Amino acid sequence: DTAVSQTPKYLVTQMGNDKSIKCEQNLGHDTMYWYKQDSKKFLKIMFSYNNKELIINETVPNRFSPKSPDKAHLNLHINSLELGDSAVYFCASSQYGRLGLNEQFFGPGTRLTVL
Amino acid sequence: ELKVEQNPLFLSMQEGKNYTIYCNYSTTSDRLYWYRQDPGKSLESLFVLLSNGAVKQEGRLMASLDTKARLSTLHITAAVHDLSATYFCAVDRGGGATNKLIFGTGTLLAIQP
Repeated sequence: DTAVSQTPKYLVTQMGNDKSIKCEQNLGHDTMYWYKQDSKKFLKIMFSYNNKELIINETVPNRFSPKSPDKAHLNLHINSLELGDSAVYFCASSQYGRLGLNEQFFGPGTRLTVL
Repeated sequence: ELKVEQNPLFLSMQEGKNYTIYCNYSTTSDRLYWYRQDPGKSLESLFVLLSNGAVKQEGRLMASLDTKARLSTLHITAAVHDLSATYFCAVDRGGGATNKLIFGTGTLLAIQP
């Protein structure tokens, strides 16, 4: 009964390649996010989608392109991978509730290593 | 630009002791979150603090929020080894249905038996 799932869990690839990470949530939430956690454990938001619409787009290189086919899915495609893209990528989801909690639930993460 | 700072960055403590992690942020926000991350794992939500003076407790952890001072604390009472993890605070800079979390630097808590 995984609430937020990501595939793959590990991704090892060469510089210059293109890769995708998939995220799915079964919580019925309407907002999904991508975060990057670097080697120093610093977490930074990259994108968020609300009902398939892009809401937040931080200063992320154009090589990163999110796609949300429906409310339950948010994928991340990365073109021309660089060494600096090596990190753990987390997907998260939230639902704006009556109490305004907006609590985000995180997926297990995808560890991307670019060689 | 919103900055979120935690201190200490690393805390080694003995079981049974009490300690506090501090989270300072630079601009106004009405929602603050605490998360726990075990090594190699995801982030687990611990507390959501929504208003000035909010205090929440779960087991040996207690979180509080002072929006006027722009300060949140996470207090650990009688620490046990199982609480060893990295703890993050995050401040919400979004609005309405979409929140934009700005995370603190994290505090690595190592509790020695």
